Amino acid sequence: EDKVVQSPLSLVVHEGDTVTLNCSYEVTNFRSLLWYKQEKKAPTFLFMLTSSGIEKKSGRLSSILDKKELSSILNITATQTGDSAIYLCAGNTNAGKSTFGDGTTLTVKP
Amino acid sequence: KAGVTQTPRYLIKTRGQQVTLSCSPISGHRSVSWYQQTPGQGLQFLFEYFSETQRNKGNFPGRFSGRQFSNSRSEMNVSTLELGDSALYLCASSPRTGTDTQYFGPGTRLTVL
Repeated sequence: EDKVVQSPLSLVVHEGDTVTLNCSYEVTNFRSLLWYKQEKKAPTFLFMLTSSGIEKKSGRLSSILDKKELSSILNITATQTGDSAIYLCAGNTNAGKSTFGDGTTLTVKP
Repeated sequence: KAGVTQTPRYLIKTRGQQVTLSCSPISGHRSVSWYQQTPGQGLQFLFEYFSETQRNKGNFPGRFSGRQFSNSRSEMNVSTLELGDSALYLCASSPRTGTDTQYFGPGTRLTVL
């Protein structure tokens, strides 16, 4: 059975701090790993990482896929209170099936 | 383009009843996936529909079923509701099956009393 594990489960930091969120995956016929941000409602897409695109960056957020270690990290620099959310990681198979981790709840205090 | 819409947004039912949830994907998207999200279990895949056919299925009992119509709108049905079915049910659409990026709707919050 496919499995995605995220750590830590929760994290509290202060504005301006840098955080690193972790995701490890065991996904049969792995195709891609996705990161989502979920605030009070639906998850919104952040990054997709594949074997041909193992590093992505957008503003203060960046993510790397380590194909050897079957893991990924999401970095957020200079955190802001608006970054407070649940960050979800999902592993996708070639058939398009997604397995999500339990998420990391990030709280950024002023 | 309008986003993914789900109706109703909130629902309260009692044990033993059945419920039908609806999802309208982004215009032009033909794949619809359903997920159950609970605090204890996280986000779990229920099933995916593409071109009115179920393409993938998660590990949920047969009480959970779905279908997709020719206009790509999808419905999910849960029969004989149990207390443990209380959850946020999210629908996500993508242009085609096997597409990695999914666009989520706001969800339907189901409470079973």
